[in-house]
Amino acid sequence: AQTVTQSQPEMSVQEAETVTLSCTYDTSENNYYLFWYKQPPSRQMILVIRQEAYKQQNATENRFSVNFQKAAKSFSLKISDSQLGDTAMYFCAFMRNAGGTSYGKLTFGQGTILTVHP
Amino acid sequence: DAGVIQSPRHEVTEMGQEVTLRCKPISGHDYLFWYRQTMMRGLELLIYFNNNVPIDDSGMPEDRFSAKMPNASFSTLKIQPSEPRDSAVYFCASSLWDSGETQYFGPGTRLLVL
Repeated sequence: AQTVTQSQPEMSVQEAETVTLSCTYDTSENNYYLFWYKQPPSRQMILVIRQEAYKQQNATENRFSVNFQKAAKSFSLKISDSQLGDTAMYFCAFMRNAGGTSYGKLTFGQGTILTVHP
Repeated sequence: DAGVIQSPRHEVTEMGQEVTLRCKPISGHDYLFWYRQTMMRGLELLIYFNNNVPIDDSGMPEDRFSAKMPNASFSTLKIQPSEPRDSAVYFCASSLWDSGETQYFGPGTRLLVL
C-alpha cells in the first residue's frame, strides 16, 4: 500500500515571499502520478499541479512548481510570490498508474495549512 | 462546463434518519469517485464507478452506506441509518479516465448527524 506523508502541519509566509511545502511518499511502484491539491476555506478541492513519475522535468504552473526527487520519493511544492488567496490547506496525493486497468485511487497526505500574511 | 455538482451543500439530520447525497459529474467523464473527509481520518476514498459500474467499494465503511450510479450523469450516496460518527464532508469527483487523469472535485456536502 502507498502512503503519503506531509510533515508540516502548518506553514506561514509573508505576501510576495516564497514558501516550500514538503511531501514524501512510499511505494514499490515505478509508474505513478503525484498531485498537489489546494483546499481553501470554501472547502472546494482544487488541483494545483501534477507530475508524471516517468518525466524527469519538474512540473510548473505559473507561480507553482514542484521539486520531484524520484529516488528520494520526495515531491515538494514551491509557491513563489505568495498571494493572500493562496491561504488554504494543501494536500499531496499519489495515484498508481496501472496502464489500461482501472485503478484511479488517490491516496492523500494529511495536509499542510498554509497562511499567507499581508 | 458547470463542474461537478453536489447537493445538498449542507445537511443536518438526526441519528437514525436516512441521508441521500447527490452528485452530477462533469459531462463526458466516465469515472466517478466518492470521498469522505474528517479531521481524524483525512480524505479517504469510499467507492468509485467506471461507466456507471462500481469498481472498488472497499472503502465503504459498512453496510449502512450504499452508492448507486443509475446513469452517466447522476450518482447517489446513501446512509441508512445515519450515526453521529458519519458527520463529515463528502466529496464527489469525476475524471475522464483514471490513468493519471485529473480528478475534478465537487464543492462537497457537509453532513452533520445529531
